Amino acid sequence: DADVTQTPRNRITKTGKRIMLECSQTKGHDRMYWYRQDPGLGLRLIYYSFDVKDINKGEISDGYSVSRQAQAKFSLSLESAIPNQTALYFCATSVGHEQYFGPGTRLTVT
Amino acid sequence: GESVGLHLPTLSVQEGDNSIINCAYSNSASDYFIWYKQESGKGPQFIIDIRSNMDKRQGQRVTVLLNKTVKHLSLQIAATQPGDSAVYFCAEKYNFNKFYFGSGTKLNVKP
Repeated sequence: DADVTQTPRNRITKTGKRIMLECSQTKGHDRMYWYRQDPGLGLRLIYYSFDVKDINKGEISDGYSVSRQAQAKFSLSLESAIPNQTALYFCATSVGHEQYFGPGTRLTVT
Repeated sequence: GESVGLHLPTLSVQEGDNSIINCAYSNSASDYFIWYKQESGKGPQFIIDIRSNMDKRQGQRVTVLLNKTVKHLSLQIAATQPGDSAVYFCAEKYNFNKFYFGSGTKLNVKP
C-alpha cells in the first residue's frame, strides 16, 4: 500500500465550485505539505503543517485553504475554483530533509 | 528571494552514457540540497541529498556535487538506463523544514 495517498486522482470541476482534495499518510510523519505543479514549472508550496495544531501559508496560498484533521490527514480546499487553478496537486510528508510525495491529483477547472 | 533553477530544460543521452543535470541556487542559508526524480504520472521520488557543508556525495550510480562558491548543484548519473528517463528536480531545504523546488530537467535516454 502507498504511504501517501491522495483522492481524487482526477477531477474536473466548474468555475465557482467548492472542491476538496484529500491526503492521507501512514508514515507517521508530523510534517505535511500541499504543492501545485504547472507545466514547465517546479513545485510551488501552497500550505504546510508541522503538526496538527500548526498551519502555515506557503508562497501561493491565495484562493486555497487547508485543514489538518489528524496527524495522518491534510486536506486542501478551493472555496471557489477558478480556471487558473487547473494544475497537478501533490501532497507530501517529511521527516528531516526527505519528502515523500503522493501520486498527485490532476484538477481541471472549466 | 530564493531561487532554484536549472540550466537545461531537456537533456538527451545515449543509453550507457553518463548524464549530468545542473542546478543553480541563490539561497546561501539552505542547509540541504536534494534531487528528486519524477516519472510520468507519479509524484517526485527522493534520489539523493547533500548537506550544505559537503561538496560531494555518492549513491548507487548517482553522485551529487555542490559548489557553494558559484551556488551550483549537479546530479551525475552513471551508465544511464532507459529507466532513468524522467524529469529531475533539485530542491533546497531552508527555514527549518521548507523546501523550494527548481523547474525541472527532462532526461531522455535513447536506446
